[in-house]
Amino acid sequence: DQQVKQNSPSLSVQEGRISILNCDYTNSMFDYFLWYKKYPAEGPTFLISISSIKDKNEDGRFTVFLNKSAKHLSLHIVPSQPGDSAVYFCAASLYIQGAQKLVFGQGTRLTINP
Amino acid sequence: EPEVTQTPSHQVTQMGQEVILRCVPISNHLYFYWYRQILGQKVEFLVSFYNNEISEKSEIFDDQFSVERPDGSNFTLKIRSTKLEDSAMYFCASSSISIRGTQYFGPGTRLTVL
Repeated sequence: DQQVKQNSPSLSVQEGRISILNCDYTNSMFDYFLWYKKYPAEGPTFLISISSIKDKNEDGRFTVFLNKSAKHLSLHIVPSQPGDSAVYFCAASLYIQGAQKLVFGQGTRLTINP
Repeated sequence: EPEVTQTPSHQVTQMGQEVILRCVPISNHLYFYWYRQILGQKVEFLVSFYNNEISEKSEIFDDQFSVERPDGSNFTLKIRSTKLEDSAMYFCASSSISIRGTQYFGPGTRLTVL
């Protein structure tokens, strides 16, 4: 099942710089996209989302961009802080027959270097 | 801030035994989900639940699995006869709406089948 892909397993960024995490999807039926952050031994923590009818959503240091024609979304974190070091998951929402399910990417481990 | 809670945090069981994983969703949420993550793999959807019924389930969710909302607060996942390959992190999630609803995840239960 490769419907949602995060091609970079890891990313290392200097503190204060911009972190850009990427995600590609194949199913045009996805109507809502979310980014989650996960620390070891914890559950995914919701960060930010975007509806398929928008191309940008911003919340503080986090911005998500959606390019529907390219089936690509990205998460920008600026400025990056050491506490941002975690695994980031892209998830796409599929709504079928009254039920929603999330399809996750493999995750990208972000390391912010001081 | 309301959160999803799960118990136990770690469950060790013998192959063939029954296990029940427990979750308390966020109190005003109506939609409930189970996901799992086998070590090194993606987070995978198992089942969604609304109005005391399963809304959708994945191919993983076979006859060995069942879900229940036994009272107004708990949401449980039962595995009737565990197999070695059931070893994984199991995450419960809940949302207040179904269409484009943000799912909030619990911290997970690590299930180890010996």
